[in-house]
Amino acid sequence: DAGVIQSPRHEVTEMGQEVTLRCKPISGHDYLFWYRQTMMRGLELLIYFNNNVPIDDSGMPEDRFSAKMPNASFSTLKIQPSEPRDSAVYFCASSFGLAGGPGELFFGEGSRLTVL
Amino acid sequence: EDKVVQSPLSLVVHEGDTVTLNCSYEVTNFRSLLWYKQEKKAPTFLFMLTSSGIEKKSGRLSSILDKKELFSILNITATQTGDSAVYLCAVEPRGSTLGRLYFGRGTQLTVWP
Repeated sequence: DAGVIQSPRHEVTEMGQEVTLRCKPISGHDYLFWYRQTMMRGLELLIYFNNNVPIDDSGMPEDRFSAKMPNASFSTLKIQPSEPRDSAVYFCASSFGLAGGPGELFFGEGSRLTVL
Repeated sequence: EDKVVQSPLSLVVHEGDTVTLNCSYEVTNFRSLLWYKQEKKAPTFLFMLTSSGIEKKSGRLSSILDKKELFSILNITATQTGDSAVYLCAVEPRGSTLGRLYFGRGTQLTVWP
């Protein structure tokens, strides 16, 4: 299996622009997570899905952020409009639920976003 | 609020040294604790711990959980330069926040040859 695939790997954009990050989870995994990592705050969970349904989006910082999972093999995280403080590495992770929980997470290589 | 605290924040050792990394947590309805290693890219899984007092081992790495005192340690013996990385601890609560992992800030380990 190729693992969790994220795109783009790097994105540099200007403040106010729309940013879309993409993720393909590992086939067969039923949980998908979006995390953001910064030096100041470490790894923070933004949102996660179970069987394509958003379960907990309390970590989404504000209405400028939205995430979708239209099918089991694809998810997007969108920021509109983007701001410099959104600069971070965004990780997607997936897992196979064990005994009702997500179990071990498998992370993608991240999308490094820089907003100028 | 649930939280995870790791110490030390950074550690510099020489090859061959043994290191102990600490993770303490305050989480309601604990389910599991996980350790990850992050080099330049994605965190990679090391251990998942759910029961107190049972040591998990993988080569030179080992970890143990104390659910009474709410902490875990990660030991690395005979360190090598390839062990240089950020080690992350994460805790998963049970119940209404099932599936949410709370990560610590990590311990940056640097191993000099």
